[in-house]
Amino acid sequence: EPEVTQTPSHQVTQMGQEVILRCVPISNHLYFYWYRQILGQKVEFLVSFYNNEISEKSEIFDDQFSVERPDGSNFTLKIRSTKLEDSAMYFCASTPGQYNEQFFGPGTRLTVL
Amino acid sequence: AQTVTQSQPEMSVQEAETVTLSCTYDTSENNYYLFWYKQPPSRQMILVIRQEAYKQQNATENRFSVNFQKAAKSFSLKISDSQLGDTAMYFCAFRPEETSGSRLTFGEGTQLTVNP
Repeated sequence: EPEVTQTPSHQVTQMGQEVILRCVPISNHLYFYWYRQILGQKVEFLVSFYNNEISEKSEIFDDQFSVERPDGSNFTLKIRSTKLEDSAMYFCASTPGQYNEQFFGPGTRLTVL
Repeated sequence: AQTVTQSQPEMSVQEAETVTLSCTYDTSENNYYLFWYKQPPSRQMILVIRQEAYKQQNATENRFSVNFQKAAKSFSLKISDSQLGDTAMYFCAFRPEETSGSRLTFGEGTQLTVNP
């Protein structure tokens, strides 16, 4: 069964460094999402992406964040200058249509030291 | 803005018994969708069940069913004949009607442990 994959599973970085989290959505899906979950807190929406542009973003998704679909398969989240408070689990999700079920990946645990 | 609240951080149940997980939400919208997601130790979130607010009939999926009380803004999940594989974190989630975007708003989660 097709599934969303994410790499790496765990990323450790120093504060101020740039990180890129990668996701491979399910191949026929058109809408892509990033969510994050700080340890012990709720899963929070970051951004949605369709047709090579952001369709919706939360207040968390500030200028330090960017998303890109550099080719036909990958969907990336870049954090330009990481902060300690960016430490979290980051989940990618995809869906064939905007109002269909969102399929989630296994997540990338980001640790900022 | 919508909020979703799960007031039970942890619950446990004996195998084969029934357990109910609670969820309440707050919204000013009339049409929306509600979901229960399961997150096992592998961390991958899996949709368990969904409910459209305009439907009065409660959704069911095999051993999983919901009690949707729109006026009370309550959306509980009942798991019947609990199995060891049901051990997971369960998240309640809200999505607005189709014209208001497709982001999911999650509750805090309830850690369910099924004991043998």
